[in-house]
Amino acid sequence: DTGVSQDPRHKITKRGQNVTFRCDPISEHNRLYWYRQTLGQGPEFLTYFQNEAQLEKSRLLSDRFSAERPKGSFSTLEIQRTEQGDSAMYLCASSRLAVNNEQFFGPGTRLTVL
Amino acid sequence: KNEVEQSPQNLTAQEGEFITINCSYSVGISALHWLQQHPGGGIVSLFMLSSGKKKHGRLIATINIQEKHSSLHITASHPRDSAVYICAVPGAGGTSYGKLTFGQGTILTVHP
Repeated sequence: DTGVSQDPRHKITKRGQNVTFRCDPISEHNRLYWYRQTLGQGPEFLTYFQNEAQLEKSRLLSDRFSAERPKGSFSTLEIQRTEQGDSAMYLCASSRLAVNNEQFFGPGTRLTVL
Repeated sequence: KNEVEQSPQNLTAQEGEFITINCSYSVGISALHWLQQHPGGGIVSLFMLSSGKKKHGRLIATINIQEKHSSLHITASHPRDSAVYICAVPGAGGTSYGKLTFGQGTILTVHP
């Protein structure tokens, strides 16, 4: 399978714990995006990488959130001191480096904070 | 006002009916995406279009750039079409790298 993969698919954690999610984009895709989707809403942009550079972070991304893409391939999203409001689906997408290129989405990681 | 608005939010249909989902946006764009999301969360890209009309099987997407409006049509709907349909536009906020702004989604349920 050469699509976008995410791990884990589901994560249940207690409030205050740290969690880390991983996204493996399609191998030749330079662009990588993280989005968050809460129940009943459309996804919202969190952050964007072009190769290893993080070029934009949404104001939704508080200082408890950090994302990396150290070698320009896979990316990690870490949430420290999780809160119940962090419960959501975290989606990763990737695309080629060109204007208006189609984004391919991973299956998402569903986070539940108890 | 949201930059991308969809209607209706919920849609129930009988199998075989013709379905239309609408999307209006307020930002200038060069392309619009229609996405499908099934229960469990996975998102699949259906169409990316910048003008006119595209057709794939029973799905048809149209866009009017001047009116900032797009529609997704499903002909001869089937229960397996039941999903959330989301429109999304790139380039909100003046960025050029394709960050998407999404509508809130339309929940479609097709009954047999």
